[in-house]
Amino acid sequence: DAKTTQPNSMESNEEEPVHLPCNHSTISGTDYIHWYRQLPSQGPEYVIHGLTSNVNNRMASLAIAEDRKSSTLILHRATLRDAAVYYCILRDVGGDTGRRALTFGSGTRLQVQP
Amino acid sequence: EAGVVQSPRYKIIEKKQPVAFWCNPISGHNTLYWYRQNLGQGPELLIRYENEEAVDDSQLPKDRFSAERLKGVDSTLKIQPAELGDSAVYLCASSFLAGTTDTQYFGPGTRLTVL
Repeated sequence: DAKTTQPNSMESNEEEPVHLPCNHSTISGTDYIHWYRQLPSQGPEYVIHGLTSNVNNRMASLAIAEDRKSSTLILHRATLRDAAVYYCILRDVGGDTGRRALTFGSGTRLQVQP
Repeated sequence: EAGVVQSPRYKIIEKKQPVAFWCNPISGHNTLYWYRQNLGQGPELLIRYENEEAVDDSQLPKDRFSAERLKGVDSTLKIQPAELGDSAVYLCASSFLAGTTDTQYFGPGTRLTVL
């Protein structure tokens, strides 16, 4: 399975944009890029996913590099509630692996300062 | 819509005792996952069900762990006997798998402490 690399931690100020990077240099053509986050004392929650084009939803935006070897999760205005561990996960929909469980790394711990 | 429900939220037991965790997935979801999360790490899969069938249990320590999903709805994960190293958060997730991938919805987890 293709792996992802994320910084261990990042800090942001409240109401400012946050850009969370993820490197996935061995990504295959059928790998979707998924982001989940885990707030303190809660289970992970889905944030967003994409394949090639940039994606937007009510929670965040996902910017995918043209060569797909990296991506960035963008929180447009960080709030204190966005403090969480953010996981970048690849899921291959070209075969059976897309049906498998999520493979979590260590993620990026985002701290938001008031 | 109700989310994934897990109980209990916390459990403290002594080693060698049995323990069981219960999960009620989101209504209509055909796929159920049990993950284990050790402190400071991401969750790791223990077992995955599609309907009633366990389709991936390769990471489940079968000498002491067992799981069941009766009627393709609720699921129970059991440990007998528990060891000190089993202290972790046990997460249940569910999804509706149609096609090649899914979005998983997680419960709050059960935090197990083995003394």
